[in-house]
Amino acid sequence: DTEVTQTPKHLVMGMTNKKSLKCEQHMGHRAMYWYKQKAKKPPELMFVYSYEKLSINESVPSRFSPECPNSSLLNLHLHALQPEDSALYLCASSRVGNSGANVLTFGAGSRLTVL
Amino acid sequence: DAKTTQPNSMESNEEEPVHLPCNHSTISGTDYIHWYRQLPSQGPEYVIHGLTSNVNNRMASLAIAEDRKSSTLILHRATLRDAAVYYCIPPTTSGTYKYIFGTGTRLKVLA
Repeated sequence: DTEVTQTPKHLVMGMTNKKSLKCEQHMGHRAMYWYKQKAKKPPELMFVYSYEKLSINESVPSRFSPECPNSSLLNLHLHALQPEDSALYLCASSRVGNSGANVLTFGAGSRLTVL
Repeated sequence: DAKTTQPNSMESNEEEPVHLPCNHSTISGTDYIHWYRQLPSQGPEYVIHGLTSNVNNRMASLAIAEDRKSSTLILHRATLRDAAVYYCIPPTTSGTYKYIFGTGTRLKVLA
């Protein structure tokens, strides 16, 4: 299995809702990433988990709450979002170590619309 | 974080070679330069990565400047399926997983 699976593919939520995005991989990768991508812009790094521990938080607002319950799963919990948070949310995974030579494998993304 | 500069867009004729440049303002001595591409409605996919010398794989070649402040992705014969946004990711701060995408170049391939 060489895929990263993201669900749901599309999500529409109101500003008072609580929802979650899910990401799963079975490649044995121990680093997992969340990126946010606005239209016609590059992906922006949000969070990185290494060995199920949060290692990078790029000053993301607390209305985004990541969780890595095990080595195969990564969640992004969403609460009290704003319309400007509407974007494509991409999950990726990679091996660890190896001085930056690790290749990222991306999912197809979850497209979020906040009304 | 390293700053990168890529042209916003480039065009190529089908079956012609394409050279996509990337400049990185800061570099680490030991980490790799990565290139990814993103086809419409898909997540980014890996193209190639390298450290100091030129690298080849079945998709592309990567030429890295001696001072590692720039790199060039080379598609030897562009096809219509190569139309995508190409991103370089400069070397991370050594020992981290802070992969920051460059601004990207939208490649248009003309039939």
